Amino acid sequence: RKEVEQDPGPFNVPEGATVAFNCTYSNSASQSFFWYRQDCRKEPKLLMSVYSSGNEDGRFTAQLNRASQYISLLIRDSKLSDSATYLCVVKREYGNKLVFGAGTILRVKS
Amino acid sequence: EAGVVQSPRYKIIEKKQPVAFWCNPISGHNTLYWYRQNLGQGPELLIRYENEEAVDDSQLPKDRFSAERLKGVDSTLKIQPAELGDSAVYLCASSSGLAAYNEQFFGPGTRLTVL
Repeated sequence: RKEVEQDPGPFNVPEGATVAFNCTYSNSASQSFFWYRQDCRKEPKLLMSVYSSGNEDGRFTAQLNRASQYISLLIRDSKLSDSATYLCVVKREYGNKLVFGAGTILRVKS
Repeated sequence: EAGVVQSPRYKIIEKKQPVAFWCNPISGHNTLYWYRQNLGQGPELLIRYENEEAVDDSQLPKDRFSAERLKGVDSTLKIQPAELGDSAVYLCASSSGLAAYNEQFFGPGTRLTVL
């Protein structure tokens, strides 16, 4: 079993739709959580950190459930430019490596 | 400010040949990482440097992979000899520290194809 698991998708949604991705992690020692975005043939870029209290950045909302060890990302009012692969990432402790999920593909269509 | 620079962007070699990748991190970033990303997967850490010291190389296949970061700035990753299974994107990243708030910035990667 992989340490970080995601539904690979693809999620095909129309513009304006709301879409949600979930991710589960197996290591309860994980301390920090992130969503990265990766466009086709580009490098990953940090989208947002994820906090237990939940956090929002414009159309994006991230939530963390430590008890169930899952992380979610909600995208409201999807845009064509949101089409990308969304990588769920955990970090175990200070100084340790980032562990990436395999990513979830989102395709937003007009 | 310039981002992480990597070269070459693409490399095609035959199996058993050597290959080297170069990375220049963001100025002032002491921590440098090399990741490998296989098709359809997320990046996996190969090695992490703190200045010139390799502090986590547990995932580096040491029989054929080597890395160095002389003077604690630029870094090179070498494969010798390359195997078909080494075809992947090799990503370099850097950060100014190790805390969760120290974002890792990735370079564009080197796409390696081994024939």
